Amino acid sequence: DQQVKQNSPSLSVQEGRISILNCDYTNSMFDYFLWYKKYPAEGPTFLISISSIKDKNEDGRFTVFLNKSAKHLSLHIVPSQPGDSAVYFCAADIQGAQKLVFGQGTRLTINP
Amino acid sequence: GAVVSQHPSWVICKSGTSVKIECRSLDFQATTMFWYRQFPKQSLMLMATSNEGSKATYEQGVEKDKFLINHASLTLSTLTVTSAHPEDSSFYICSALAGGSWETQYFGPGTRLLVL
Repeated sequence: DQQVKQNSPSLSVQEGRISILNCDYTNSMFDYFLWYKKYPAEGPTFLISISSIKDKNEDGRFTVFLNKSAKHLSLHIVPSQPGDSAVYFCAADIQGAQKLVFGQGTRLTINP
Repeated sequence: GAVVSQHPSWVICKSGTSVKIECRSLDFQATTMFWYRQFPKQSLMLMATSNEGSKATYEQGVEKDKFLINHASLTLSTLTVTSAHPEDSSFYICSALAGGSWETQYFGPGTRLLVL
């Protein structure tokens, strides 16, 4: 039962353009969402988060959008840079559960 | 930034043997550490939550007698895969909470286990 899904295993974007990574979830009890970035041979690192009381959170080039009615969130990176090439995971949490449920990840490649 | 190390980074063992994986928070103390498992092209699946000084909390479907977790200090948690079998071959990754929020969760680089 995959409660958090990233349906695109890979995405290729031209440098300077916008990268949009998508994530869908099924559990309406999820109330906090995070995006992690992972380089090869390294652990995931926290990128940006959003609470369910918001629909947008922005941090520099990174913006996360949350559509609760559609149970969908997306990560926008603009402008995309070669260093953004990595695997991106979305994750969701239920308040008080102290556990994260992860998506399968999307491999983003930024082409020069 | 906060650093979490894992040792070994990869291990090959024979079926029936036990393998211990260490997870260390190098520059912070962590009351809570997590152990995840990842199969190829799949998500990180939480196996157990390790709390310093107490028994680990295992997720449904994870055999606690097979995957022994010890969190003996605020900087070290160990995962022992006992009597390993080929189906235990996977990527095991730990994380440690430096504070009270998910933003302070720091991951180790992972350990790839191959059981022959």
